[in-house]
Amino acid sequence: DAKTTQPTSMDCAEGRAANLPCNHSTISGNEYVYWYRQIHSQGPQYIIHGLKNNETNEMASLIITEDRKSSTLILPHATLRDTAVYYCIVRVPKAAGNKLTFGGGTRVLVKP
Amino acid sequence: DTGVSQDPRHKITKRGQNVTFRCDPISEHNRLYWYRQTLGQGPEFLTYFQNEAQLEKSRLLSDRFSAERPKGSFSTLEIQRTEQGDSAMYLCASSLVVDVYPEAFFGQGTRLTVV
Repeated sequence: DAKTTQPTSMDCAEGRAANLPCNHSTISGNEYVYWYRQIHSQGPQYIIHGLKNNETNEMASLIITEDRKSSTLILPHATLRDTAVYYCIVRVPKAAGNKLTFGGGTRVLVKP
Repeated sequence: DTGVSQDPRHKITKRGQNVTFRCDPISEHNRLYWYRQTLGQGPEFLTYFQNEAQLEKSRLLSDRFSAERPKGSFSTLEIQRTEQGDSAMYLCASSLVVDVYPEAFFGQGTRLTVV
């Protein structure tokens, strides 16, 4: 799996959009970008994934650059419950047993 | 609630004791994974099962660790002769491999403290 680089931490204001960057400059053509988050004392939770097109679901939007070397997860209206560690993972779906390789993630603190 | 459940949620044990954790996956899921997470780090893969077959074990899974999934349903993770370095959160996840994008659903984990 390609390596990802994320900022260690970031703060955002409640009600504002939170933009979480991820660099994956060595991504290969068949690798997808996945985002998970882990709220304190819980297991990781799937958020969204994409290959090259921008994606949106009820939780977030994923913007992938045209060269696919970086992406941004957008939480449109952050709430206090969005405080968590967010992991960006690059992988080929179903490959390697479909196991996940987590990095250090970005610790997001949503402030009132 | 039909999510992944883990038991116990917390376990404190003395060094040298054996401990066993249980994971009940989502009922129709055929894949089951174990991960370990130490403080401040992301989860690390330990092993996974497809039905009752254990298909892969990480080098992190020393000889003191053993996992089983009898009958392809629940799974147990046993640690023998625990060491302080085994203190961590042990996470279980399950998925349905036939899905196009089979996502893993995680339990809330078992936090092990070895004293």
